[in-house]
Order: sequence, then C-alpha cells, then structure tokens
Amino acid sequence: GNSVTQMEGPVTLSEEAFLTINCTYTATGYPSLFWYVQYPGEGLQLLLKATKADDKGSNKGFEATYRKETTSFHLEKGSVQVSDSAVYFCALRESGGSNYKLTFGKGTLLTVNP
Amino acid sequence: DAGVIQSPRHEVTEMGQEVTLRCKPISGHNSLFWYRQTMMRGLELLIYFNNNVPIDDSGMPEDRFSAKMPNASFSTLKIQPSEPRDSAVYFCASATSGLNTGELFFGEGSRLTVL
Repeated sequence: GNSVTQMEGPVTLSEEAFLTINCTYTATGYPSLFWYVQYPGEGLQLLLKATKADDKGSNKGFEATYRKETTSFHLEKGSVQVSDSAVYFCALRESGGSNYKLTFGKGTLLTVNP
Repeated sequence: DAGVIQSPRHEVTEMGQEVTLRCKPISGHNSLFWYRQTMMRGLELLIYFNNNVPIDDSGMPEDRFSAKMPNASFSTLKIQPSEPRDSAVYFCASATSGLNTGELFFGEGSRLTVL
C-alpha cells in the first residue's frame, strides 16, 4: 500500500537558519504530493502541493520539488522565522479510483528560536 | 467565511461512557472526512463521506465507532462505549468534489480523553 516517511523530529533551529525536512513516499501509479502545516492548537492547512514529476510547489517561502526518480518531496526554506514553528506533514494522494484518500506521514515538529 | 466547525473542543469522560463529536463542514463542500491523530499512529482516516453517503469506512476501528451525516451541513462521530485507548484528537475535514484539488480544510479538532 501507499506510505509516506518523514524525518523524525523534533527539529530545532535558530531564526534565519536553512530548513530541510525530508519526505519519501511509496505509491503505485502517479500520486500527487502535499505538505500540510499544523500550528499549535489548530487543524492542518495546506502549505503547498505538486501534482506531477518535476513540479515545484511553493508558498510562504517554502518549496518542495516532486522527484519521481528518488520518490521524494523534501520541504525547504531558506530562512526560517519564529512564526514557522509548527508540525509539518507530508502527504500523498493516490491517482485513480481512491483519489479521495490522503496518506499522511507522521509529522515533523519544527521549533524556531529567536 | 466560516471554516470547518467542530465541537466540543475538549472532552474528558470515563471509560464506558458514550461520546459524540460533531462537525459542520464548509458550505458547498460535498466531501467530509473524519481523522484521528495520536502520537503513536499519526493521522488515520476513519471514514469518508461524499454527498452525505459513506464511501469508505475501512478505517473505523471497530463496532464501537459509528459516524453519520444526515445532511450536507452536519456530521457526527460516536464512540459507544468509550475506552482509554480512544484518547486522541479527532479532526473533521471537508473538501470539494472528492478532493480533486487535493486540498482538505480541517477543523480545529476535538481532543478526547477517556479516563
């Protein structure tokens, strides 16, 4: 079945540091890939997405590139802020008949210190 | 615009009691999802409704769990009887057209503690 593997956290960085959160996936067919973010006390919200190989999703300074050859979708940001402190979830959506289903990774807690 | 609204935000109950969690999806969304979040298992899809009809309930843990969607603006998740291992955060999420855009809109969650 489909699965998503994220680097285990927590990740602690100083403000303005470079961020990478690794994500790899296993899926049949050609899934769409997503990063969701969960701020403290809130539900998840979509951060960015990519629907086909070599697509780059970007939002709020975050980027991730869909790499089919390495089955990866790593999240990066060049300079993090305290307000980026949150839990980040990588997810995939199957292609085909079960395309309503999102499979999430376990999440990576990011803490950014001033 | 109002987002997905869940209630209660927090529930503490004793083992054996019935628990009912409620969800109001975003108006116009025809897909509704219930997820459970725990430290051990992360986010698990419990059930998916499309146009008020349950399409996939394969994630519902056991017969103690049931979910209904009597109309397009309301859904419930019921646990009867509750057990300590049901303690988790339960999220409701809605989307348009069976998730064609890939974006789920989540509520703030209901944190359940079963003693």
